[in-house]
Amino acid sequence: NAGVTQTPKFRVLKTGQSMTLLCAQDMNHEYMYWYRQDPGMGLRLIHYSVGEGTTAKGEVPDGYNVSRLKKQNFLLGLESAAPSQTSVYFCASSYSNKRGRDTEAFFGQGTRLTVV
Amino acid sequence: GQQLNQSPQSMFIQEGEDVSMNCTSSSIFNTWLWYKQDPGEGPVLLIALYKAGELTSNGRLTAQFGITRKDSFLNISASIPSDVGIYFCAGQRRGGSEKLVFGKGTKLTVNP
Repeated sequence: NAGVTQTPKFRVLKTGQSMTLLCAQDMNHEYMYWYRQDPGMGLRLIHYSVGEGTTAKGEVPDGYNVSRLKKQNFLLGLESAAPSQTSVYFCASSYSNKRGRDTEAFFGQGTRLTVV
Repeated sequence: GQQLNQSPQSMFIQEGEDVSMNCTSSSIFNTWLWYKQDPGEGPVLLIALYKAGELTSNGRLTAQFGITRKDSFLNISASIPSDVGIYFCAGQRRGGSEKLVFGKGTKLTVNP
């Protein structure tokens, strides 16, 4: 059981370039999230999705777009990368159990992105 | 947005010592979670708390869901070198689509 898989694991971009980070989960989870982690800032939510075809903005959505065309995949796009987007990006997924409680979020191993 | 205040930011302890860290919020949460992140890895869940006043243990780890629903703490007893990492608290207001809010983390260093 792979859990949450992120690709790529590392990437260096030039300012203005675009790229897409892929997150795939094989646990049939409804909810998926993209976070960025910066030193001293903890994990900040960029965008999230509560189901296939739906997305919503998180705490720091500017400069990013997302899509959830399939339940198992959540894509994070950078249309025009900026040095301020240098960070470690984490994808996570979760679901609600039968009692309506959210389960814990399961995280991928992260994507280290450097924008020069 | 919602804020979780996690303290301390960092801790330097000797192997064998006990550790305590906590999270507080101005908002009520219905779920509190504690994660650990090893270097180069994603966060991994340690303990989940779903009921106010709940005290839950996982080996040497003990966590409590504050009775006011606005705080939680994590204790690690008899620390060992592999406890090194960043510990995050996370809160969630209710089930369904409510997203997790994370604290900024406590970086733990254990000296052998």
